[in-house]
Amino acid sequence: EAQVTQNPRYLITVTGKKLTVTCSQNMNHEYMSWYRQDPGLGLRQIYYSMNVEVTDKGDVPEGYKVSRKEKRNFPLILESPSPNQTSLYFCASSPGGFQPQHFGDGTRLSIL
Amino acid sequence: KNEVEQSPQNLTAQEGEFITINCSYSVGISALHWLQQHPGGGIVSLFMLSSGKKKHGRLIATINIQEKHSSLHITASHPRDSAVYICARGGADGLTFGKGTHLIIQP
Repeated sequence: EAQVTQNPRYLITVTGKKLTVTCSQNMNHEYMSWYRQDPGLGLRQIYYSMNVEVTDKGDVPEGYKVSRKEKRNFPLILESPSPNQTSLYFCASSPGGFQPQHFGDGTRLSIL
Repeated sequence: KNEVEQSPQNLTAQEGEFITINCSYSVGISALHWLQQHPGGGIVSLFMLSSGKKKHGRLIATINIQEKHSSLHITASHPRDSAVYICARGGADGLTFGKGTHLIIQP
């Protein structure tokens, strides 16, 4: 089954404790992206990747890192999480940058 | 990035009604996306279009490039259509999203 898998689905953690949210897709898609969704602000793009070893900042990259060492995986790294990064996070992928995206189920992060 | 504006923010209608959700954007696009987010949170891509009109079942999406405007229509609406509908402008720098339209269809 074609899917985008995010882990964990839920996480409560504390300020400053490094964490990684993994994202994996099994569709051989070149394009992958991370978004965060906040009440009243909607979805906003954090980082995206057009292909392996190619990543670019979205609208709200501060406090986040990403890597794309292989096509299927696109982890989101919070080196020193802060409470303002409490949010619902989505990973998505598509065959190319201008095609419909497949979304993961979301990861709800709470940073205390 | 330039904004994407959706209207209405909230819409409650009776089952069977014809629904229209509007989306305006301020700069040129490569494509306009319509997404559906269910109460459980999952997001599904409904349409991606750069011109004209697309139809899938009871859903129809249209776009007017000159006016920088797109609409999503739902015919014969049903309670299972209740969801948040989000439009997004696609460009070389990724997606810019509207804030969504929260649709409730009452039986």
